[in-house]
Amino acid sequence: NAGVTQTPKFRVLKTGQSMTLLCAQDMNHEYMYWYRQDPGMGLRLIHYSVGEGTTAKGEVPDGYNVSRLKKQNFLLGLESAAPSQTSVYFCASSSTNRTGRTDTQYFGPGTRLTVL
Amino acid sequence: SQQGEEDPQALSIQEGENATMNCSYKTSINNLQWYRQNSGRGLVHLILIRSNEREKHSGRLRVTLDTSKKSSSLLITASRAADTASYFCATDAGGNNRLAFGKGNQVVVIP
Repeated sequence: NAGVTQTPKFRVLKTGQSMTLLCAQDMNHEYMYWYRQDPGMGLRLIHYSVGEGTTAKGEVPDGYNVSRLKKQNFLLGLESAAPSQTSVYFCASSSTNRTGRTDTQYFGPGTRLTVL
Repeated sequence: SQQGEEDPQALSIQEGENATMNCSYKTSINNLQWYRQNSGRGLVHLILIRSNEREKHSGRLRVTLDTSKKSSSLLITASRAADTASYFCATDAGGNNRLAFGKGNQVVVIP
């Protein structure tokens, strides 16, 4: 099992450029999440998905879009990158929790994005 | 919004010593989790404690939860250089298995 993988690992963009970050998981998890991590800020949730074909906004969704066309993949898009989006991006997944209680999340290795 | 808040922010100890870090939160929770992040890597789940539990052990880790004070502590006993990492607490946040993470504790274990 590869767990959660992310591509690319590093990327440098110019302001206004677009890009897509790919997250893939092979654990058959229903839930997937995109976070950004900035120094001194911890992790903040950007968007998440509770199943194939569904997405929802998190804490800091502005400037990002997501898609979950396949259960194993969760894509994060930046349509017009801004320097404020310079960050480390983490994807995570977790299994369905029918009791309503939160469960463990499994994280990818991260993508370090710099926007000049 | 950030739910968990860890205290202290940075800790430097000698190998073999114990490391304790605390986390406070604001609202009622179902459970609280602790994660570790090595430099440049993703987060790794360490331990989960449910709201009806007061203490939980996993190897050299001991977690306590005081729901009346809305706080938790993570104790690492007999620390090793490999324990050098950032440690985050996380609480449930609004359903759908979402988590709210604290800002993290950086722990440095000196060999």
